[in-house]
Amino acid sequence: GNSVTQMEGPVTLSEEAFLTINCTYTATGYPSLFWYVQYPGEGLQLLLKATKADDKGSNKGFEATYRKETTSFHLEKGSVQVSDSAVYFCALNNNDMRFGAGTRLTVKP
Amino acid sequence: DARVTQTPRDKVTEMGQEVTMRCQPILGHNTVFWYRQTMMQGLELLAYFRNRAPLDDSGMPKDRFSAEMPDATLATLKIQPSEPRDSAVYFCASGRHREGQLYGYTFGSGTRLTVV
Repeated sequence: GNSVTQMEGPVTLSEEAFLTINCTYTATGYPSLFWYVQYPGEGLQLLLKATKADDKGSNKGFEATYRKETTSFHLEKGSVQVSDSAVYFCALNNNDMRFGAGTRLTVKP
Repeated sequence: DARVTQTPRDKVTEMGQEVTMRCQPILGHNTVFWYRQTMMQGLELLAYFRNRAPLDDSGMPKDRFSAEMPDATLATLKIQPSEPRDSAVYFCASGRHREGQLYGYTFGSGTRLTVV
């Protein structure tokens, strides 16, 4: 079946540090891959997506590349800000939507 | 912007009471999901519908939970009787499914349920 495994948190970084949150998936066929972000008290918002192998999704300085050979979609940002503090979810769309467990990121000034 | 609307935003109820949460999907979306989010379990898929028919409700406790779509503009999640362990944030999401892909997938703001 379809499933997503992402790096467990919490992750605490200083402002301007480099961020990586790992995500791997299991699926049949050709799923689309997503990263969602959840700020306190809110629902999940789409951050970026990639629909086929080797695609790179990017938004607000975040990037993730769809790697079919390693079944991965790791989230990266070169320089995090305090405002990036949130919970990040990796997700897979293959007829339905499946989410990873979420990774809480805290960025300290 | 089109939104998924959930009501109520917050609900506090006593153990044993019936709770009904409502979701209005985005117009034109044919797939609706219900999720539960807790600190311990994270985001769990409870059930989802396509064209108003339930496709998967394996994540939902059957003895007390029920999910329905009385029409294309309304999805409901009911708990009867409610228990303190049901306290969580319940999210609805909707999308348009076509040829094996889901488009326009959008989350509602959630219903925060507290059972005391």
